[in-house]
Amino acid sequence: GQSLEQPSEVTAVEGAIVQINCTYQTSGFYGLSWYQQHDGGAPTFLSYNALDGLEETGRFSSFLSRSDSYGYLLLQELQMKDSASYFCAVREGHNNAGNMLTFGGGTRLMVKP
Amino acid sequence: DVKVTQSSRYLVKRTGEKVFLECVQDMDHENMFWYRQDPGLGLRLIYFSYDVKMKEKGDIPEGYSVSREKKERFSLILESASTNQTSMYLCASSRLRGEAFFGQGTRLTVV
Repeated sequence: GQSLEQPSEVTAVEGAIVQINCTYQTSGFYGLSWYQQHDGGAPTFLSYNALDGLEETGRFSSFLSRSDSYGYLLLQELQMKDSASYFCAVREGHNNAGNMLTFGGGTRLMVKP
Repeated sequence: DVKVTQSSRYLVKRTGEKVFLECVQDMDHENMFWYRQDPGLGLRLIYFSYDVKMKEKGDIPEGYSVSREKKERFSLILESASTNQTSMYLCASSRLRGEAFFGQGTRLTVV
């Protein structure tokens, strides 16, 4: 089985930095992903960490510590358009034949002017 | 441009009906997934498939079944729809360990 925990809601101001944490419990762990979903839209991929450390993609960075079963998404220079829900997702092996993608409950980020 | 297409954006069905939700991907992906999304509960995995005719249960398979007869198509079946299956249903596909691409979702209402 698996479980993922992330905060339900975060509020920040435009131009600030915000960190969204994710802790997970799973077996057969391959990696941790982050997805963004705007209201009424489909989730879209942001980043993937298979190894420990920080991955940077523009204003967004994602971090993973496999030993701590922990990761975070860091959003810098926040913009109003970053207001959305953010999901962490675990990729894990399953019966040596494929791999599941399991999502956390999501963090709703509200960016205020 | 990658594409995951769900057959309907909105569906209204009656309690007890058999409901088919269809999903097609054009990326030759091995994995396909069905999730349901409800407010405050995130995306919950119903079933996933890693190859034709292969399927695995997710976290909430009760009341659902799936079919994957061709690599590009993954169908979710509600054997006897109930009101607690009213939800947003999202289909996704991915390579073995790659990023997932989602369809636009099907909002199903069971009355």
